[in-house]
Amino acid sequence: QKEVEQNSGPLSVPEGAIASLNCTYSDRGSQSFFWYRQYSGKSPELIMFIYSNGDKEDGRFTAQLNKASQYVSLLIRDSQPSDSATYLCAVNNDYKLSFGAGTTVTVRA
Amino acid sequence: GAVVSQHPSRVICKSGTSVKIECRSLDFQATTMFWYRQFPKQSLMLMATSNEGSKATYEQGVEKDKFLINHASLTLSTLTVASAHPEDSSFYICSAGTSGEETQYFGPGTRLLVL
Repeated sequence: QKEVEQNSGPLSVPEGAIASLNCTYSDRGSQSFFWYRQYSGKSPELIMFIYSNGDKEDGRFTAQLNKASQYVSLLIRDSQPSDSATYLCAVNNDYKLSFGAGTTVTVRA
Repeated sequence: GAVVSQHPSRVICKSGTSVKIECRSLDFQATTMFWYRQFPKQSLMLMATSNEGSKATYEQGVEKDKFLINHASLTLSTLTVASAHPEDSSFYICSAGTSGEETQYFGPGTRLLVL
């Protein structure tokens, strides 16, 4: 069983819409969760992290965490063509990150 | 802040050559550095974790004699791919973190092509 699972996509959304990305993890003891964005041919860049159950907002991004369901999500509001990328969910265990396979998002102009 | 650099950005070499990749934290002291490998259309796979002044800890299945890691200072870690072969061709990415913080900051990556 994979430690971190994401829908691979591609997820296609029109410009201005909300993109919703999901991630589940297997280790119930995981404490911190990260969302990274990776453009083609580039390394990941941190979007945001979340430690506590509930929502965390940062600009157009909202991360949601439900530890009981072992589920973390990322919402991208007012999607822009520049948001087109692969979004990686990462779970921290003992200061090591386990990455999901990533969800590719395409924002249609 | 939290800038990590890697050098070189791209390497093309012949089979059997050893390749050295440098990872530097530019504006902070990185007590821990991580080395990842990413094959096309796949996610990042952690290869090893290195702490300054200590031997690296390798993930299962990663050959420590082939992927030599040195973390000589709080701002520099190096990965040497010994006697590289075509199957070692990949995107190698380092990240750095500080003691007590879980956030990792990634370098821009090094694309290795072994002919």
